[in-house]
Amino acid sequence: DTGVSQNPRHKITKRGQNVTFRCDPISEHNRLYWYRQTLGQGPEFLTYFQNEAQLEKSRLLSDRFSAERPKGSFSTLEIQRTEQGDSAMYLCASTLAGGSTYEQYFGPGTRLTVT
Amino acid sequence: GENVEQHPSTLSVQEGDSAVIKCTYSDSASNYFPWYKQELGKGPQLIIDIRSNVGEKKDQRIAVTLNKTAKHFSLHITETQPEDSAVYFCAPLRGGANNLFFGTGTRLTVIP
Repeated sequence: DTGVSQNPRHKITKRGQNVTFRCDPISEHNRLYWYRQTLGQGPEFLTYFQNEAQLEKSRLLSDRFSAERPKGSFSTLEIQRTEQGDSAMYLCASTLAGGSTYEQYFGPGTRLTVT
Repeated sequence: GENVEQHPSTLSVQEGDSAVIKCTYSDSASNYFPWYKQELGKGPQLIIDIRSNVGEKKDQRIAVTLNKTAKHFSLHITETQPEDSAVYFCAPLRGGANNLFFGTGTRLTVIP
């Protein structure tokens, strides 16, 4: 257990529905990342926050995706009008920017299946 | 963008043997070189990392070597054990960037 939690662990939804995932990082970590991982591939960066500010978004993050970190603690990732291509594992990671290491601590992920 | 390749994509070794996985990257500005291990149903976990001012780092049975000139770094696992079976990812970080760029992964199977 890395100390990063994600909920739910699994989500099955029908195409066109909206879904929201939550990530609770390690409490003292000021930086939070979202990644997407499809079967047989490495995680791909989606976006990251420094405290409550969203500082970078990947081109993978279409306008159907939105992420928030309202108080600089937990974060949510919402996907609107889900498509079958959104089926993947969504991973959250956190780190302490400015610390002595670049290590990112990953949660167990939320597996999304769009039917 | 960064181009990161890992070889081999799958690797099977007998328990007790050594395993070596190589990661080749394209961005010469990369200056941080980690290896992550991902077990089934879990997120990736850092097992060892190295910075560009160091050529080799060792932690018990695990070592990482870096060749910045040739733009590759390798993971070495000695005396492999069944619990080393997992998918391993390299994820070089470009200087000034904030996100890791993961390779395609290597599935290591240690046969008891």
